[in-house]
Amino acid sequence: QVQLVESGGGVVQPGRSLRLSCAASGFSFSTYGMYWVRQAPGKGLEWLAVVSHDGTNKYYADSVKGRFTISRDNSKNSLYLQMNSLRAEDSAVYFCAKDVPRAAAFDSWGQGTLVTVSS
Amino acid sequence: QSALTQPASVSGSPGQSITISCTGTIDDVGAYNHVSWYQQHPGKAPKLLIYDVSKRPSGVSNRFSGSKSGNTASLTISGLQAEDEADYYCNSYTTRSTNVFGTGTEVTVL
Repeated sequence: QVQLVESGGGVVQPGRSLRLSCAASGFSFSTYGMYWVRQAPGKGLEWLAVVSHDGTNKYYADSVKGRFTISRDNSKNSLYLQMNSLRAEDSAVYFCAKDVPRAAAFDSWGQGTLVTVSS
Repeated sequence: QSALTQPASVSGSPGQSITISCTGTIDDVGAYNHVSWYQQHPGKAPKLLIYDVSKRPSGVSNRFSGSKSGNTASLTISGLQAEDEADYYCNSYTTRSTNVFGTGTEVTVL
């Protein structure tokens, strides 16, 4: 069955960088678009970024554009989120999610990894 | 990229039906039929309930149904059950090739 496992979260100081990973299994990773979504403590879901199945197309939410970079390595069945210039408001649980083809929806989610930006 | 507007809370008694609205603009909900709905229980990852306005993934109860009119989408839960108590989020694809979530609705089963 589909499994998505995020890693790389932790405590980081403002202005520093962090790279999140999402290990995928149970499906043909290279044929699906993938997403990052986050949720600040006690808050709602926020869509962050999408990467196409082959990595050529990437789109970002305005809140992270220019600071965050989504990427993937299909040879490793892995999705990444490089987060630079981190701010306190980036503190959240970060989820990776798998695309529903041609529907721009998310049918499988990881359990999330917590990022805390604090000095 | 403003969040789609949902009511903060909706409640109902067991067996009743409730409807959650999700209001966007002509650049998101009104532009495409790529509206989806998610259920999230505390401490858990969201679960896809509806995609493309009204399609249900395999395994999702037919008590959940979706619709759309203009810039507003709706999720109806019929035959409300205790396990339906959760947070619900809508999501839409946008004309900028991005997605946007709704503000979220807390459903309480009385």
